[in-house]
Amino acid sequence: GEDVEQSLFLSVREGDSSVINCTYTDSSSTYLYWYKQEPGAGLQLLTYIFSNMDMKQDQRLTVLLNKKDKHLSLRIADTQTGDSAIYFCAERFGDYKLSFGAGTTVTVRA
Amino acid sequence: AAGVIQSPRHLIKEKRETATLKCYPIPRHDTVYWYQQGPGQDPQFLISFYEKMQSDKGSIPDRFSAQQFSDYHSELNMSSLELGDSALYFCASSSRKGSGRVEQYFGPGTRLTVT
Repeated sequence: GEDVEQSLFLSVREGDSSVINCTYTDSSSTYLYWYKQEPGAGLQLLTYIFSNMDMKQDQRLTVLLNKKDKHLSLRIADTQTGDSAIYFCAERFGDYKLSFGAGTTVTVRA
Repeated sequence: AAGVIQSPRHLIKEKRETATLKCYPIPRHDTVYWYQQGPGQDPQFLISFYEKMQSDKGSIPDRFSAQQFSDYHSELNMSSLELGDSALYFCASSSRKGSGRVEQYFGPGTRLTVT
């Protein structure tokens, strides 16, 4: 979506941490999401964060939100080959609809 | 746990034909969303329904229409198909009640190919 921006590619070594960054423009967004899409598959909801929070941790996933800079990041600890996928950040606005970024393709190398 | 079901999973149509895509939301979800994802692109919001009424509209062509039925399933009808309509069409569902109003779950998608 035009209001959400992400870097397009990330290559990471297996076992390292991955950090995927996203910027958004709508300051009225209430929730921000991370979805994972494997080749030929649907969108899997990974996690989300409420706009009045600055951090959320869920097992290997850590979401950081800098509301002042409208910057969202997803950190994946101990990245595995199964983490290779496209990761979309999305903001919720209006009547619950989502606006997605272009997606970051994460490639995990051995 | 039950997920969003979409049918068919794959559909091949010719130009100017019509297509109907079906979506069955997660049980007890009252809101359905349709998104279109072109090749190498991010999903774009098309239209949504809450309690069988259209609740929001995005970049949906006039050739497309949709509705939500009494059992909450939804259908996306596409007429006068064009080559550019070839895409992955996702349905998502959510519940606006209680703590479930945050998550929006996506189905596996219907891959439409127009030749």
